[in-house]
Amino acid sequence: TQLLEQSPQFLSIQEGENLTVYCNSSSVFSSLQWYRQEPGEGPVLLVTVVTGGEVKKLKRLTFQFGDARKDSSLHITAAQPGDTGLYLCAVMNRDDKIIFGKGTRLHILP
Amino acid sequence: ETGVTQSPTHLIKTRGQQVTLRCSSQSGHNTVSWYQQALGQGPQFIFQYYREEENGRGNFPPRFSGLQFPNYSSELNVNALELDDSALYLCASSLHATTDTQYFGPGTRLTVL
Repeated sequence: TQLLEQSPQFLSIQEGENLTVYCNSSSVFSSLQWYRQEPGEGPVLLVTVVTGGEVKKLKRLTFQFGDARKDSSLHITAAQPGDTGLYLCAVMNRDDKIIFGKGTRLHILP
Repeated sequence: ETGVTQSPTHLIKTRGQQVTLRCSSQSGHNTVSWYQQALGQGPQFIFQYYREEENGRGNFPPRFSGLQFPNYSSELNVNALELDDSALYLCASSLHATTDTQYFGPGTRLTVL
């Protein structure tokens, strides 16, 4: 059983459109991280959310942590080709080790 | 400041062989974690080394082993390679063992034939 379920698995949209991807779990977490991974690269940390209901913005990216700290969403406004990549959510397990979801593979068409 | 580097970039091995992958951590970082990322999956935690000692291990068999050296660089060794070991192997370094931000290297793509 996957601890973190990410949806959708794949998303291909036109430049300029908005999109939201999700990270869900039945477990409660003290914090949750979002990473972006581009082809041939390792994941790069985008944000860490720690408080239920917290919203963080990173330019056109908006991250929200669910009130119950079980889920999170990433919203991208006016997507650009440079946003293309694999978006991974991750949490710390009880041994303080990072557990990743399978990711959402995003492709922005110019 | 040099980032995390890994070598080699790509590697092809045959079933039953052994492989050693290398990772140089970011300057000043004493913790290295290794991950396996199969195609279409997120990275899976293999193990972590903190100041040359193993500091946690994921659900991987003993044929996956590692080392950390006094300069905090690290090796991942895999014995008796299986086809399912084909994956991208990532290492990540951090300043401290637990909650600090991890910085990932570009990975080593291992193909087992």
